Amino acid sequence: DQQVKQNSPSLSVQEGRISILNCDYTNSMFDYFLWYKKYPAEGPTFLISISSIKDKNEDGRFTVFLNKSAKHLSLHIVPSQPGDSAVYFCAAGYYQLIWGAGTKLIIKP
Amino acid sequence: EPEVTQTPSHQVTQMGQEVILRCVPISNHLYFYWYRQILGQKVEFLVSFYNNEISEKSEIFDDQFSVERPDGSNFTLKIRSTKLEDSAMYFCASSLGGQIQETQYFGPGTRLLVL
Repeated sequence: DQQVKQNSPSLSVQEGRISILNCDYTNSMFDYFLWYKKYPAEGPTFLISISSIKDKNEDGRFTVFLNKSAKHLSLHIVPSQPGDSAVYFCAAGYYQLIWGAGTKLIIKP
Repeated sequence: EPEVTQTPSHQVTQMGQEVILRCVPISNHLYFYWYRQILGQKVEFLVSFYNNEISEKSEIFDDQFSVERPDGSNFTLKIRSTKLEDSAMYFCASSLGGQIQETQYFGPGTRLLVL
């Protein structure tokens, strides 16, 4: 059962450009969505969230877009910086979070 | 800034042995969680704990797992008889509230290797 899918295991982006990380979900009851960021040897840290009543939420360089009809959300990082190199997890749910497998983002100088 | 801590950072054990993973959640938090991540796979929810009781648990959290808050600060995960497939990174998390919108703060994890 893969209710939350991150199809790209890794992504490489030039510093200064836009990073777009994608996440798909299957359960239409999900109404809350989050992105967590994880550095090696550390636990995941909360990055940004969005509820199903919105289609966009922005926090500085990070924007999350939600397309409910497509059951798709994405995280945009603009501009990408070397410190953004990490694994990004998408999580979704309505009372309990279901996590994706993560996408490793590499920012190239 | 307050943080969740976990000990040990690494644990190697023989199959069939019992292990106890320890966590110290953020002091004013009321909800506690254990997750695991098998290498290269997704983060999986194991259990949530509130008011000295399990509030939710996943299918993974079978009879060989137990959780306890033995004192006012520690939150432990016990695996009674470890199996090879229990090898994973185990994360503890805590939150102030129990709703899904509450931010969960994660510890650095304990890497468990079962031989």
